[in-house]
Amino acid sequence: AQTVTQSQPEMSVQEAETVTLSCTYDTSESDYYLFWYKQPPSRQMILVIRQEAYKQQNATENRFSVNFQKAAKSFSLKISDSQLGDAAMYFCAYRVTGRRALTFGSGTRLQVQP
Amino acid sequence: KAGVTQTPRYLIKTRGQQVTLSCSPISGHRSVSWYQQTPGQGLQFLFEYFSETQRNKGNFPGRFSGRQFSNSRSEMNVSTLELGDSALYLCASSLAFDQPQHFGDGTRLSIL
Repeated sequence: AQTVTQSQPEMSVQEAETVTLSCTYDTSESDYYLFWYKQPPSRQMILVIRQEAYKQQNATENRFSVNFQKAAKSFSLKISDSQLGDAAMYFCAYRVTGRRALTFGSGTRLQVQP
Repeated sequence: KAGVTQTPRYLIKTRGQQVTLSCSPISGHRSVSWYQQTPGQGLQFLFEYFSETQRNKGNFPGRFSGRQFSNSRSEMNVSTLELGDSALYLCASSLAFDQPQHFGDGTRLSIL
């Protein structure tokens, strides 16, 4: 069974600083996707960034980037120039190619200090 | 383009009752997935529908069921409600297998 582990229940960062959220996963599949979702208090799950496992290049989306280490099954999220609006729960998620079911980690609550 | 719409936003029921939640996907999206979010178990996959057919089901009892209509709108039903069914139920839609899922705001179900 696939599992996703987020070992940091809470993180805090100063505004304008950089923070890295950790995620590891366990799978026997070779073709899959990894995602980071953000869930603010408004409850809606918002896609932050996604990575295809077959791509060696790390995905980036503006201030958000990932460090994807396939052999180590590690998928961390780096947020640069943190903003107050980045405060939220962040979930790492995994999906096997060809299937839609997402497996989520337990989440990391990110606080951004002004 | 309107996002994924879930109704109602909040619902209060008592044990033993049944409940139906609704999800309207983004226009053009034919795939709808449902997830349950609780503080104890986190986010768990319930089931997925595509073209009115259930394609995949998570590890939930038969009290949890769903369906999808020809216009891609989906409903999920929970019968004989238990206290442990109190959760945020999230619906997500996607255009195709390789496309990411877009989530709605969820329905907060509270069981008294």
